[in-house]
Amino acid sequence: SQQGEEDPQALSIQEGENATMNCSYKTSINNLQWYRQNSGRGLVHLILIRSNEREKHSGRLRVTLDTSKKSSSLLITASRAADTASYFCATQGNSGYSTLTFGKGTMLLVSP
Amino acid sequence: EPEVTQTPSHQVTQMGQEVILRCVPISNHLYFYWYRQILGQKVEFLVSFYNNEISEKSEIFDDQFSVERPDGSNFTLKIRSTKLEDSAMYFCASSPDTSTDTQYFGPGTRLTVL
Repeated sequence: SQQGEEDPQALSIQEGENATMNCSYKTSINNLQWYRQNSGRGLVHLILIRSNEREKHSGRLRVTLDTSKKSSSLLITASRAADTASYFCATQGNSGYSTLTFGKGTMLLVSP
Repeated sequence: EPEVTQTPSHQVTQMGQEVILRCVPISNHLYFYWYRQILGQKVEFLVSFYNNEISEKSEIFDDQFSVERPDGSNFTLKIRSTKLEDSAMYFCASSPDTSTDTQYFGPGTRLTVL
């Protein structure tokens, strides 16, 4: 798989349920970021987790990072219909460059 | 809350024409970026810009592309001779004071090349 690959590709849940999305990457990173994109719109930054962090919370979001497995997960608790969007992980490397490498994304559908 | 803005929201052009996409990064940010997303595909990095020069560019960013910060607020992406395959959503982003920091994205410009 390529750098920043999310799974599942699509996830359909009911309001109130939790949604978990995973991201795997191949090279060493400085940080990993999660973004949300509503259909045809811009990217909204959700959370950044650095390589020396293991878990981070922001409101209903919980992100974990396992650098030994080169993987991250994004948990959205108590989902709402407004959470319906595509979610992307993006990694930033250690080379001193600032390039974000994005995955293909998980499309989340939250039904009322 | 400060935001990155982009104009126009949608640009339609004929193949071979030049287009300039405009961005206003967040005012105290120092690092600027362009990314693109072809419909249904990943967001891809094009170029980063710091201290009035390109700091990194991808293979996509060939001689047809150029970036400029013509004044203290605007950051532009120029495509000299557009091709059909340049049709995509183009996102501008900026980050505050280090290269490894949160990047804040604009809403994008949808470029359609006919």
